[in-house]
Amino acid sequence: ETGVTQTPRHLVMGMTNKKSLKCEQHLGHNAMYWYKQSAKKPLELMFVYSLEERVENNSVPSRFSPECPNSSHLFLHLHTLQPEDSALYLCASSQEWGQDLQETQYFGPGTRLLVL
Amino acid sequence: AQSVTQLDSQVPVFEEAPVELRCNYSSSVSVYLFWYVQYPNQGLQLLLKYLSGSTLVKGINGFEAEFNKSQTSFHLRKPSVHISDTAEYFCAVLTDKLIFGTGTRLQVFP
Repeated sequence: ETGVTQTPRHLVMGMTNKKSLKCEQHLGHNAMYWYKQSAKKPLELMFVYSLEERVENNSVPSRFSPECPNSSHLFLHLHTLQPEDSALYLCASSQEWGQDLQETQYFGPGTRLLVL
Repeated sequence: AQSVTQLDSQVPVFEEAPVELRCNYSSSVSVYLFWYVQYPNQGLQLLLKYLSGSTLVKGINGFEAEFNKSQTSFHLRKPSVHISDTAEYFCAVLTDKLIFGTGTRLQVFP
């Protein structure tokens, strides 16, 4: 079993749909992250969860709603998205959260989302 | 504000040639620096990281990087590339969060 898995790998949805992205880590980590990767732009950190509590929300629109039911699972609920939300959504995890701990983040393969 | 600049969006190179991917950062505080690689249709994988100590850091797949504080650079190098090194490479700096550059596409030709 690979360290960080994401499902689905590809998703096409209309602007009125509701869908969810799932991330699961098998590394025993306490921190999990959602990133957005758009063409020609740096990775954008969206949310950070540490011990199942949200510790960072980088001005992400409310049409993206994260959920962390336990330290191994992270969801990103999507509703009424826009075409500009089409991107690769990457999940990552690290042992702990915080710069002082110099933690390496381990990434999943991503979900490629297309909003029509 | 902290930032990371990868000067080259694409680097074409022939197999077995050396390569350098450039990365410069701006930060007024101590930083931790990372290089990640992203192969087609995959997530990011850590190549190497600089936290402290020796400024020359060796990573996986024969890559190495040198931290140069005076030039605020962390360039990635490999003395002889393979076709399989074709991928997107991201430099990142960790301050209060991980900040990525825009990436450099390394294309290795036979």
